[in-house]
Amino acid sequence: DVKVTQSSRYLVKRTGEKVFLECVQDMDHENMFWYRQDPGLGLRLIYFSYDVKMKEKGDIPEGYSVSREKKERFSLILESASTNQTSMYLCASSLPLAGDTQYFGPGTRLTVL
Amino acid sequence: DAKTTQPPSMDCAEGRAANLPCNHSTISGNEYVYWYRQIHSQGPQYIIHGLKNNETNEMASLIITEDRKSSTLILPHATLRDTAVYYCIVRASYSGGYQKVTFGTGTKLQVIP
Repeated sequence: DVKVTQSSRYLVKRTGEKVFLECVQDMDHENMFWYRQDPGLGLRLIYFSYDVKMKEKGDIPEGYSVSREKKERFSLILESASTNQTSMYLCASSLPLAGDTQYFGPGTRLTVL
Repeated sequence: DAKTTQPPSMDCAEGRAANLPCNHSTISGNEYVYWYRQIHSQGPQYIIHGLKNNETNEMASLIITEDRKSSTLILPHATLRDTAVYYCIVRASYSGGYQKVTFGTGTKLQVIP
Protein backbone atom coordinates (compact mmCIF):
# COMPACT_ATOMS: atom_id res chain seq x y z
CA ASP A 1 0.00 0.00 0.00
CA VAL A 2 1.13 3.50 -0.77
CA LYS A 3 1.75 5.43 2.37
CA VAL A 4 1.97 9.20 2.54
CA THR A 5 2.47 10.62 6.00
CA GLN A 6 2.39 14.18 7.25
CA SER A 7 4.19 15.38 10.34
CA SER A 8 1.19 16.77 12.21
CA ARG A 9 -2.58 16.33 12.04
CA TYR A 10 -3.29 19.58 13.86
CA LEU A 11 -1.08 22.63 14.27
CA VAL A 12 -1.69 26.02 15.86
CA LYS A 13 0.73 28.86 15.15
CA ARG A 14 0.86 32.59 15.67
CA THR A 15 0.95 35.26 12.98
CA GLY A 16 4.49 35.87 11.79
CA GLU A 17 5.86 32.50 12.84
CA LYS A 18 7.80 30.34 10.39
CA VAL A 19 5.96 27.06 9.87
CA PHE A 20 7.29 23.79 8.47
CA LEU A 21 4.96 21.08 7.20
CA GLU A 22 6.64 17.78 6.41
CA CYS A 23 5.48 15.06 4.06
CA VAL A 24 7.06 11.64 3.55
CA GLN A 25 6.09 8.94 1.05
CA ASP A 26 7.38 5.38 1.01
CA MET A 27 6.65 4.35 -2.57
CA ASP A 28 9.65 5.86 -4.37
CA HIS A 29 7.35 8.26 -6.23
CA GLU A 30 8.97 10.93 -8.36
CA ASN A 31 6.16 13.47 -8.08
CA MET A 32 5.05 15.16 -4.89
CA PHE A 33 2.45 17.87 -4.42
CA TRP A 34 1.23 20.30 -1.80
CA TYR A 35 -2.42 21.40 -1.87
CA ARG A 36 -4.61 23.40 0.44
CA GLN A 37 -8.31 22.70 0.84
CA ASP A 38 -10.80 25.33 1.92
CA PRO A 39 -14.62 25.15 2.10
CA GLY A 40 -16.17 26.30 -1.15
CA LEU A 41 -12.78 26.56 -2.89
CA GLY A 42 -11.95 22.89 -3.25
CA LEU A 43 -8.35 21.74 -3.68
CA ARG A 44 -5.80 24.31 -4.81
CA LEU A 45 -2.26 23.37 -5.84
CA ILE A 46 0.48 25.29 -4.05
CA TYR A 47 3.68 23.64 -5.31
CA PHE A 48 4.74 20.55 -7.18
CA SER A 49 8.05 18.69 -7.34
CA TYR A 50 8.98 16.16 -10.02
CA ASP A 51 12.44 15.27 -8.72
CA VAL A 52 14.89 15.97 -5.92
CA LYS A 53 15.68 19.67 -5.71
CA MET A 54 13.18 20.41 -8.51
CA LYS A 55 10.02 22.40 -7.89
CA GLU A 56 7.35 24.22 -9.83
CA LYS A 57 4.80 26.76 -8.67
CA GLY A 58 1.19 25.75 -8.66
CA ASP A 59 -1.82 28.04 -8.64
CA ILE A 60 -1.27 29.78 -5.29
CA PRO A 61 2.45 29.79 -4.36
CA GLU A 62 2.50 33.26 -2.76
CA GLY A 63 3.53 33.13 0.88
CA TYR A 64 4.87 29.58 0.58
CA SER A 65 8.13 27.89 -0.33
CA VAL A 66 9.10 24.24 -0.60
CA SER A 67 12.12 22.02 -0.18
CA ARG A 68 12.88 18.60 -1.59
CA GLU A 69 16.31 17.41 -0.53
CA LYS A 70 15.45 13.71 -0.61
CA LYS A 71 13.12 11.84 -2.95
CA GLU A 72 10.81 10.67 -0.20
CA ARG A 73 10.42 14.00 1.61
CA PHE A 74 8.72 17.21 0.51
CA SER A 75 8.44 20.13 2.90
CA LEU A 76 6.14 23.12 2.75
CA ILE A 77 7.35 26.29 4.44
CA LEU A 78 5.28 29.26 5.47
CA GLU A 79 7.93 31.96 5.85
CA SER A 80 5.72 34.25 7.94
CA ALA A 81 2.37 32.72 8.75
CA SER A 82 -0.74 34.82 8.31
CA THR A 83 -4.34 34.23 9.35
CA ASN A 84 -5.41 33.70 5.72
CA GLN A 85 -3.17 30.65 5.65
CA THR A 86 -5.43 28.88 8.11
CA SER A 87 -6.45 25.81 6.13
CA MET A 88 -6.23 22.06 5.63
CA TYR A 89 -2.92 21.23 3.93
CA LEU A 90 -2.70 18.05 1.90
CA CYS A 91 0.40 16.37 0.52
CA ALA A 92 0.19 13.90 -2.36
CA SER A 93 2.60 11.77 -4.37
CA SER A 94 2.49 9.93 -7.67
CA LEU A 95 4.55 8.16 -10.30
CA PRO A 96 6.07 10.42 -12.96
CA LEU A 97 3.40 10.48 -15.66
CA ALA A 98 1.10 13.49 -15.49
CA GLY A 99 -2.25 11.95 -14.75
CA ASP A 100 -0.86 9.06 -12.70
CA THR A 101 -2.85 8.33 -9.57
CA GLN A 102 -2.10 10.77 -6.79
CA TYR A 103 -2.10 9.35 -3.28
CA PHE A 104 -2.84 11.76 -0.47
CA GLY A 105 -1.64 12.04 3.10
CA PRO A 106 -4.01 12.45 6.06
CA GLY A 107 -3.77 16.24 6.01
CA THR A 108 -2.58 18.88 8.45
CA ARG A 109 -5.17 21.30 9.77
CA LEU A 110 -3.25 24.50 10.41
CA THR A 111 -4.72 27.34 12.43
CA VAL A 112 -2.90 30.67 12.45
CA LEU A 113 -3.95 32.97 15.27
CA ASP B 1 -10.04 17.97 -17.90
CA ALA B 2 -13.65 17.09 -18.66
CA LYS B 3 -16.22 18.26 -16.13
CA THR B 4 -18.25 15.84 -14.07
CA THR B 5 -21.72 16.02 -12.55
CA GLN B 6 -22.69 14.15 -9.39
CA PRO B 7 -25.75 14.26 -7.14
CA PRO B 8 -25.00 16.32 -4.04
CA SER B 9 -26.10 13.68 -1.56
CA MET B 10 -27.31 10.08 -1.22
CA ASP B 11 -28.35 7.76 1.58
CA CYS B 12 -27.70 4.05 1.73
CA ALA B 13 -28.72 1.44 4.29
CA GLU B 14 -25.88 -0.34 6.02
CA GLY B 15 -25.11 -3.67 4.33
CA ARG B 16 -26.74 -2.69 1.07
CA ALA B 17 -24.93 -1.76 -2.13
CA ALA B 18 -24.25 1.93 -2.65
CA ASN B 19 -24.41 3.01 -6.29
CA LEU B 20 -22.93 6.44 -6.91
CA PRO B 21 -23.49 7.90 -10.40
CA CYS B 22 -21.31 10.34 -12.30
CA ASN B 23 -21.91 12.05 -15.63
CA HIS B 24 -18.94 13.03 -17.77
CA SER B 25 -20.46 13.62 -21.19
CA THR B 26 -17.50 15.64 -22.53
CA ILE B 27 -14.88 13.01 -21.69
CA SER B 28 -12.24 12.55 -24.37
CA GLY B 29 -10.61 9.36 -25.56
CA ASN B 30 -7.47 9.57 -23.43
CA GLU B 31 -9.18 10.53 -20.18
CA TYR B 32 -9.56 8.11 -17.30
CA VAL B 33 -12.37 8.14 -14.77
CA TYR B 34 -11.07 8.34 -11.20
CA TRP B 35 -12.90 8.04 -7.91
CA TYR B 36 -11.68 9.37 -4.58
CA ARG B 37 -13.44 9.73 -1.27
CA GLN B 38 -12.84 12.01 1.67
CA ILE B 39 -13.95 11.14 5.14
CA HIS B 40 -14.53 14.18 7.32
CA SER B 41 -11.28 15.97 8.28
CA GLN B 42 -9.08 13.42 6.52
CA GLY B 43 -7.09 13.43 3.29
CA PRO B 44 -8.70 12.17 0.07
CA GLN B 45 -8.43 8.42 -0.43
CA TYR B 46 -7.98 6.92 -3.88
CA ILE B 47 -10.61 4.27 -4.62
CA ILE B 48 -10.44 3.12 -8.23
CA HIS B 49 -9.99 4.29 -11.81
CA GLY B 50 -10.73 3.02 -15.31
CA LEU B 51 -10.61 3.93 -18.99
CA LYS B 52 -13.40 1.99 -20.67
CA ASN B 53 -13.57 -1.47 -19.15
CA ASN B 54 -15.29 -2.15 -15.86
CA GLU B 55 -12.89 -2.40 -12.97
CA THR B 56 -13.03 -4.03 -9.55
CA ASN B 57 -10.72 -3.93 -6.58
CA GLU B 58 -10.99 -4.71 -2.90
CA MET B 59 -12.81 -1.47 -2.20
CA ALA B 60 -15.28 -1.03 -5.03
CA SER B 61 -16.38 -1.68 -8.59
CA LEU B 62 -16.45 0.87 -11.38
CA ILE B 63 -18.94 0.49 -14.20
CA ILE B 64 -18.36 2.72 -17.25
CA THR B 65 -21.02 2.94 -19.95
CA GLU B 66 -20.09 1.92 -23.46
CA ASP B 67 -20.17 5.51 -24.71
CA ARG B 68 -18.07 6.50 -21.65
CA LYS B 69 -20.35 9.43 -20.90
CA SER B 70 -21.24 8.20 -17.45
CA SER B 71 -20.06 5.80 -14.78
CA THR B 72 -21.20 4.28 -11.50
CA LEU B 73 -19.13 3.52 -8.43
CA ILE B 74 -20.47 0.54 -6.52
CA LEU B 75 -19.67 -0.17 -2.88
CA PRO B 76 -21.07 -3.69 -2.63
CA HIS B 77 -21.81 -3.79 1.12
CA ALA B 78 -21.80 -0.30 2.57
CA THR B 79 -20.69 0.14 6.17
CA LEU B 80 -20.91 3.15 8.46
CA ARG B 81 -17.22 3.80 7.75
CA ASP B 82 -18.10 4.41 4.10
CA THR B 83 -19.88 7.64 5.05
CA ALA B 84 -17.87 10.25 3.16
CA VAL B 85 -17.85 12.66 0.23
CA TYR B 86 -17.16 10.79 -3.01
CA TYR B 87 -15.49 12.60 -5.89
CA CYS B 88 -15.58 11.53 -9.52
CA ILE B 89 -12.95 13.17 -11.73
CA VAL B 90 -11.63 12.61 -15.22
CA ARG B 91 -7.94 12.99 -16.02
CA ALA B 92 -5.74 12.33 -19.00
CA SER B 93 -2.49 10.42 -18.63
CA TYR B 94 0.46 11.66 -20.64
CA SER B 95 4.18 12.05 -20.28
CA GLY B 96 5.75 15.30 -19.24
CA GLY B 97 4.50 18.14 -17.13
CA TYR B 98 2.18 17.66 -14.21
CA GLN B 99 -1.50 17.54 -13.61
CA LYS B 100 -3.19 18.73 -10.48
CA VAL B 101 -6.18 16.95 -9.02
CA THR B 102 -9.33 19.06 -9.11
CA PHE B 103 -12.35 17.96 -7.11
CA GLY B 104 -15.86 19.13 -7.80
CA THR B 105 -18.48 19.20 -5.08
CA GLY B 106 -18.85 15.41 -5.00
CA THR B 107 -21.61 13.27 -3.53
CA LYS B 108 -22.03 13.14 0.22
CA LEU B 109 -22.90 9.52 0.98
CA GLN B 110 -24.60 8.89 4.31
CA VAL B 111 -24.73 5.22 5.35
CA ILE B 112 -27.63 4.67 7.69
CA PRO B 113 -27.65 1.95 10.38
